[in-house]
Order: sequence, then structure tokens, then C-alpha cells
Amino acid sequence: AQSVTQLDSQVPVFEEAPVELRCNYSSSVSVYLFWYVQYPNQGLQLLLKYLSGSTLVKGINGFEAEFNKSQTSFHLRKPSVHISDTAEYFCAVLGTGGGADGLTFGKGTHLIIQP
Amino acid sequence: NAGVTQTPKFQVLKTGQSMTLQCAQDMNHEYMSWYRQDPGMGLRLIHYSVGAGITDQGEVPNGYNVSRSTTEDFPLRLLSAAPSQTSVYFCASSSGGGIGTQYFGPGTRLLVL
Repeated sequence: AQSVTQLDSQVPVFEEAPVELRCNYSSSVSVYLFWYVQYPNQGLQLLLKYLSGSTLVKGINGFEAEFNKSQTSFHLRKPSVHISDTAEYFCAVLGTGGGADGLTFGKGTHLIIQP
Repeated sequence: NAGVTQTPKFQVLKTGQSMTLQCAQDMNHEYMSWYRQDPGMGLRLIHYSVGAGITDQGEVPNGYNVSRSTTEDFPLRLLSAAPSQTSVYFCASSSGGGIGTQYFGPGTRLLVL
């Protein structure tokens, strides 16, 4: 079984400042890692994912994340945020053994962009 | 393409009533799943399906039934609604199982009184 911890439930950031949203996972097997974003009153959409290869993954809207196996982390970063980035961000994990069962999500981090 | 559609958008039920949440996708995805989202809990998997005729339980299946008679549709049935089932329900589909990009519907907000 896997679990995901998103340590910050809310992160307030000024517009054009950098941001990092933290994600740590626990798993007894190798994992795939994902970040999804949920804008108000909408479903989730994929920002980026790590399956294998380079540990630095680039996604949509200028976001990137780095997989750190030794620290079991997959933190999300953006060098300069915009008002439109205000949303809920979810980190998710999937064990590599199967793939048929669903993602395990963290509880989410609400990114609040202040003008 | 409409993507993943869900109906209704909002529903109020009384305890003990039954209902079906509809989910359809037009992307010919084999994999479909249902999640519930509760405040401060993230999303939790209820049931999933890897293809027509095949379904399996997720993390929180109790009180819910699913079936998959076609590739396009994956309805979620609440047999006897309880206040604990008040939640927002999301359906998702993928062409690559859990590893693939999940395409989520807009959600159904359910209130059980």
C-alpha cells in the first residue's frame, strides 16, 4: 500500500514570487508519481507525472517537480506564480506493481496567490 | 469530444433513498474509476473498471455498486443513501490504466439528509 503526505494545507504566495508545494510518499514498492490541479468547481487535470528516467519533470503552465527517491519526495515548483494559479494541488502515487488500481491522493494544498 | 460527462451536477437525497450517478466518456478509454472528495481528505477511490464487464473495489467501496456493460458508461449506484455519503463524486477515465493521464469529469455534488 502507498500513502501520500502533503504537509501544507494552504500556501499563500505573492504574485510573481516562486513557490514550492511539498509532497512526500510512503511505499514498499517502486512508484509512479503525479501532480494534479483542481480549479474552483472543476474536476482535476494532470499537471505532470514521473514514470521513469530524468528525475526533473516539466509539466504544463510552467510547473516542474523533482523526484527524490532517497527522501521519498516529489515537490512541485514554479519560479513565478500568477493569479490564475490559484487552485488546489494534489500529489498522487501509484505502485508500479499493478497499475490497474487507482491513484492514492494526498489531502491537497490550496495555493493562494496574493496580488 | 465531450470528454468525461457526469450527471446530475447536484443532488439532494433523503437517508435510505437510492440513486445512480451517471458517468460517460467518448474517448474509448478502457479504464474508468470513481472517486469521492471530502474536505481535507483528498480523493479516495471507490470502484474502478479496466474494461467492459470487469470491475473491482477501491479503498472505500461500501455502500456503492458499479457495473460496466459498455466501454462508454460507468454508473455508480448508491443502494441506501446515508449522511456519510455526502460528498463530491468524480468519475475519471484513462487509456493507460492507473498510470495513464486520468481525465476527470466535472463532478456530482451529493447531499444526503
